[in-house]
Amino acid sequence: DQQVKQNSPSLSVQEGRISILNCDYTNSMFDYFLWYKKYPAEGPTFLISISSIKDKNEDGRFTVFLNKSAKHLSLHIVPSQPGDSAVYFCAASGTTSGTYKYIFGTGTRLKVLA
Amino acid sequence: DSGVTQTPKHLITATGQRVTLRCSPRSGDLSVYWYQQSLDQGLQFLIQYYNGEERAKGNILERFSAQQFPDLHSELNLSSLELGDSALYFCASSAPSAGGFNEKLFFGSGTQLSVL
Repeated sequence: DQQVKQNSPSLSVQEGRISILNCDYTNSMFDYFLWYKKYPAEGPTFLISISSIKDKNEDGRFTVFLNKSAKHLSLHIVPSQPGDSAVYFCAASGTTSGTYKYIFGTGTRLKVLA
Repeated sequence: DSGVTQTPKHLITATGQRVTLRCSPRSGDLSVYWYQQSLDQGLQFLIQYYNGEERAKGNILERFSAQQFPDLHSELNLSSLELGDSALYFCASSAPSAGGFNEKLFFGSGTQLSVL
């Protein structure tokens, strides 16, 4: 049972344009969401997060939007740069017996074309 | 550099064997998480330890076990290995933030396990 879904395995975007990566979740107990970026041969690195009390969080070129009623979040990258080419994972967490457990999606491979 | 160290980087072994993967968390982090990434799969949560105690369990097989030692490093033991256990195994660590819950995970660069 995949509780966090990234339905687009890959995405290609022209440099300078907007990249939109989507993520859906099924568990209404999730209340904290994160995006991670992963380059080949490296571990995932934290990008941006959002708490369920917010619907938007912005950090430079990266903005995460959360739609709780639709159980959907998206990551916007504007403008996209070739260095953004990587695999992006969304993750959700919710307390389990007083601790947080992070569930990851399957990832979306973003390719930014120069 | 995330500050999380995983050894070895690569491991090649045969079916039926047993291996141990090691993780040193960032200085000061009390929580350690183990994840498995198989081909075309996301990061599958295996298990979490907090200050030496098991805190949460995910899709971890009975053939797999883990522990966190007093110095906070952790080991993931995989036994009776099968071909399907070939994967990238990540360790992550985190520190409690205000409010008592963890915010973000810092990942090591992973151990690539190949079972032949």
